[in-house]
Amino acid sequence: AQSVAQPEDQVNVAEGNPLTVKCTYSVSGNPYLFWYVQYPNRGLQFLLKYITGDNLVKGSYGFEAEFNKSQTSFHLKKPSALVSDSALYFCAVRDPTKGYNQGGKLIFGQGTELSVKP
Amino acid sequence: DAGVIQSPRHEVTEMGQEVTLRCKPISGHNSLFWYRQTMMRGLELLIYFNNNVPIDDSGMPEDRFSAKMPNASFSTLKIQPSEPRDSAVYFCASRLITGQGRTGELFFGEGSRLTVL
Repeated sequence: AQSVAQPEDQVNVAEGNPLTVKCTYSVSGNPYLFWYVQYPNRGLQFLLKYITGDNLVKGSYGFEAEFNKSQTSFHLKKPSALVSDSALYFCAVRDPTKGYNQGGKLIFGQGTELSVKP
Repeated sequence: DAGVIQSPRHEVTEMGQEVTLRCKPISGHNSLFWYRQTMMRGLELLIYFNNNVPIDDSGMPEDRFSAKMPNASFSTLKIQPSEPRDSAVYFCASRLITGQGRTGELFFGEGSRLTVL
């Protein structure tokens, strides 16, 4: 069964420093990977996705993620963190056993709380 | 454009009562998900529908939970009878699956916070 792991419950970064939020996955076949962000008392918002092609994916709010097949990772990065980036970040993997146009289910990691201090 | 609309935003009820959560997906979307979020278990997929048909309900905790999607613009998640351990935030999300083999990202509602006393 597919799964995704976020090894860090919390990441603390100083404003202006680069940030990394880690994600590893376990799927059979080619993974479809996603990052979402959740602000307090809000629903999740899509940040970026990897389906195929370039291993470096760029998304919203200056975030990017690098797909690494050999390490089965999809870490989220940003060169310079902002206080407003403080939120809960979720990595997700889509069931690759379903055809792309069938729309398989999304399985989410446990989430990583990102705290950016001024 | 209106996003995914969930109601109620907050519900406080007593153990044993029936709870109905409602969701209106984004117009034109043809796939709908129900998730539950708690501190202990994180974000759990309960059930999802494609074209109003339930595809996978393996995440539904037990028979007390049921979900329906009578048409493309409305879905309900019902808990009967409710228990304190059902207290959580319940999210509905929708997406578009096209015939060209593309699946769009999920759009989430703001959630329904359920407290069962």
